[in-house]
Amino acid sequence: DQQVKQNSPSLSVQEGRISILNCDYTNSMFDYFLWYKKYPAEGPTFLISISSIKDKNEDGRFTVFLNKSAKHLSLHIVPSQPGDSAVYFCAWRQAGTALIFGKGTTLSVSS
Amino acid sequence: NAGVTQTPKFRVLKTGQSMTLLCAQDMNHEYMYWYRQDPGMGLRLIHYSVGEGTTAKGEVPDGYNVSRLKKQNFLLGLESAAPSQTSVYFCASSSGQGGAQYFGPGTRLLVL
Repeated sequence: DQQVKQNSPSLSVQEGRISILNCDYTNSMFDYFLWYKKYPAEGPTFLISISSIKDKNEDGRFTVFLNKSAKHLSLHIVPSQPGDSAVYFCAWRQAGTALIFGKGTTLSVSS
Repeated sequence: NAGVTQTPKFRVLKTGQSMTLLCAQDMNHEYMYWYRQDPGMGLRLIHYSVGEGTTAKGEVPDGYNVSRLKKQNFLLGLESAAPSQTSVYFCASSSGQGGAQYFGPGTRLLVL
């Protein structure tokens, strides 16, 4: 059973608008959630993370929200730019282990 | 600063052949990982290492072996390649279990 679920395979947004990428998880024992961004033919690059003791973390245009009661987190990108078009993976890290990745959401930002 | 590099970038194998994928990092990281990514899937952990001379199994270790003889290198071996091992392989490293992982550019492997 998938421990990290990204239920939307794709998302299309206009430049300047908000992009919201969602992730659901099943296990309550976690240390950190991380978001990675991946361009074609490149490795994933770390974007932003949130620890289990927080409900929000912000870095420039990127904000991650964590709702522990709903076992849900979301990544907000404001404003969206064409260069943000990529595949976004959320990943769960339980303390002391490697990452468990979701299947990814492909974001397309049109100008 | 090269970060994480992978060799080769692309390889075609016939069923039953063997090969080794090389990962190198110049960030002095303790932890290194091998993942595979298949179409429509997230990355799945094959093996990982928490330091020189150590290795451990991940989620999908069958058919692969690894070695970490030097801190900066992590090798992934396929002893007898199978078509099911056709995938893109990513190596990653981190400074510790609390650090973000940094990924290499990937190796695309096709097994015929």
